[in-house]
Amino acid sequence: EDKVVQSPLSLVVHEGDTVTLNCSYEVTNFRSLLWYKQEKKAPTFLFMLTSSGIEKKSGRLSSILDKKELFSILNITATQTGDSAIYLCAVAPPWTGTASKLTFGTGTRLQVTL
Amino acid sequence: DGGITQSPKYLFRKEGQNVTLSCEQNLNHDAMYWYRQDPGQGLRLIYYSQIVNDFQKGDIAEGYSVSREKKESFPLTVTSAQKNPTAFYLCASSKTGGLSYEQYFGPGTRLTVT
Repeated sequence: EDKVVQSPLSLVVHEGDTVTLNCSYEVTNFRSLLWYKQEKKAPTFLFMLTSSGIEKKSGRLSSILDKKELFSILNITATQTGDSAIYLCAVAPPWTGTASKLTFGTGTRLQVTL
Repeated sequence: DGGITQSPKYLFRKEGQNVTLSCEQNLNHDAMYWYRQDPGQGLRLIYYSQIVNDFQKGDIAEGYSVSREKKESFPLTVTSAQKNPTAFYLCASSKTGGLSYEQYFGPGTRLTVT
């Protein structure tokens, strides 16, 4: 059974801190890893990582994948209260050209306080 | 504006009743998905559909049914056979052509069964 584990489960930081969220996986067929941000309702897409060692960056957020050690990290620098959300990690099997059946982790709940 | 809509936002039902959750998308996506999210758990796949008139069971399909008569619509019925139906239900859609795993999510329906 495919498994995606995120840590920590929850985290409280002060505005301006830097945080690192972890995602490890055990899957039979791996193609890509995705990060989503869920603020209140609908998760929104952040990054997709397919190649090991190549950092993806968007503003204060960055992520990297290690396919040898089977994990990914999501870094957020200079955190703001608007970063408070649940961060979800998901893995995707090899592409078949049809539906993408993702396996999600439990998520990390991040709270940024003033 | 393109997107996914789910209705209603909140739904209350008595135990033993079937209930249907609506999901509509105008993104012209072929694939659609239903997930369930429980506190402290990640998203779990209930059913998915790659094309009209076709759908497959996900990881937790027991007690649920779906239909896909139109490309834009993928309603989910929670039947009385579902033992723990109270949860947050998310619908998503994605492209099927090209290498893309990104799924776009609706705002969700919170179902409470008493």
